[in-house]
Amino acid sequence: KQEVTQIPAALSVPEGENLVLNCSFTDSAIYNLQWFRQDPGKGLTSLLLIQSSQREQTSGRLNASLDKSSGRSTLYIAASQPGDSATYLCAVDRGSTLGRLYFGRGTQLTVWP
Amino acid sequence: NAGVMQNPRHLVRRRGQEARLRCSPMKGHSHVYWYRQLPEEGLKFMVYLQKENIIDESGMPKERFSAEFPKEGPSILRIQQVVRGDSAAYFCASSPRPGTGGDTQYFGPGTRLTVL
Repeated sequence: KQEVTQIPAALSVPEGENLVLNCSFTDSAIYNLQWFRQDPGKGLTSLLLIQSSQREQTSGRLNASLDKSSGRSTLYIAASQPGDSATYLCAVDRGSTLGRLYFGRGTQLTVWP
Repeated sequence: NAGVMQNPRHLVRRRGQEARLRCSPMKGHSHVYWYRQLPEEGLKFMVYLQKENIIDESGMPKERFSAEFPKEGPSILRIQQVVRGDSAAYFCASSPRPGTGGDTQYFGPGTRLTVL
């Protein structure tokens, strides 16, 4: 059974800080891992998708890394802004389950000016 | 190209009533996934459908819940005789091919169900 854990559950930082969100998963046999952003009352927006054969992906100020053997991924946000305030979700696709995603509970990020 | 659409966005039902949640996938997408997010919990998979077929319903409660994705029209998640524990946000996601293709799933804004 795949379980996904995210640490910390909540994070509050001043604008401009670089920060790291952590995700761990129990079964290393994954197909890919995704990071999503969820704004209050809204749906999920995919930020980065890392295939199991990749080590990292970058998009703008975001960088996600994947260490499949240890069951860990990190999302690095550089120069945080108040607009980054949201809940960040990590999700794993095991590949053998036809696209079913296993989600962590998320990290609620607040960036204050 | 409109994104995944869900309606209603908010739904209030009394205990014992039926709830019908609708999801229109992105144009060209024939794979639909339903997830449920209970308060203070992560999203949990419920069911995966293709047009006219249920592929994986292992996450669906055994009773009162059903889902369909007809040849024409939106996917429907139906909850009969709702109870307070059904109060949650229900999200639909669509994909142009099965997830093993490596594509992300595109999520709708969700339907927030409140059972009084």
